Amino acid sequence: AQSVTQLDSHVSVSEGTPVLLRCNYSSSYSPSLFWYVQHPNKGLQLLLKYTSAATLVKGINGFEAEFKKSETSFHLTKPSAHMSDAAEYFCVVSNNNDMRFGAGTRLTVKP
Amino acid sequence: EAGVAQSPRYKIIEKRQSVAFWCNPISGHATLYWYQQILGQGPKLLIQFQNNGVVDDSQLPKDRFSAERLKGVDSTLKIQPAKLEDSAVYLCASSLDVPSAWNLYNEQFFGPGTRLTVL
Repeated sequence: AQSVTQLDSHVSVSEGTPVLLRCNYSSSYSPSLFWYVQHPNKGLQLLLKYTSAATLVKGINGFEAEFKKSETSFHLTKPSAHMSDAAEYFCVVSNNNDMRFGAGTRLTVKP
Repeated sequence: EAGVAQSPRYKIIEKRQSVAFWCNPISGHATLYWYQQILGQGPKLLIQFQNNGVVDDSQLPKDRFSAERLKGVDSTLKIQPAKLEDSAVYLCASSLDVPSAWNLYNEQFFGPGTRLTVL
């Protein structure tokens, strides 16, 4: 069985400050891990993915995530938040066909 | 390229009524997924098709939910009869193929979803 825990349901940052969205996972196998973003009234969009290659993964819009096996974590970061980053973010663990989504973290960006 | 299309975008029904959702995946995508996203939760897979065959429907409440993809292209998801707890956003996604041991992940592309409210 596998599961994902997103440690914060809501994160609020000021524009231009760093973003950290935390994700811990549980998996019996070597997992694939992803971050998706969901803007209001829009479909989920893939930000980045880890599939057992480099542990530091760079995604779109300046986001990156680091896979830490010892900590079973896959935290999402961005050096400087932009207003357009305000959205819901989902951490996902996958083994073949079985994709499990976290409950989501709502990111608010204050001017 | 055109994305995943879903209709309707919004639907309000009373409990015990029936409802159907439609999804048209990206052209050429063999695999189609239906997810249920309840408010405050992440999406949960209901059913996965590859072409017109079911790959996984283990989390589909089969007493009231049904889905088909007869020609291996577009798909419909039906709820009959609806319950209050079915209120959610129903997401459709598609991918080129099914993940396998040698191709760990085929990116899923999501549609905008159908927001269902059951009164």
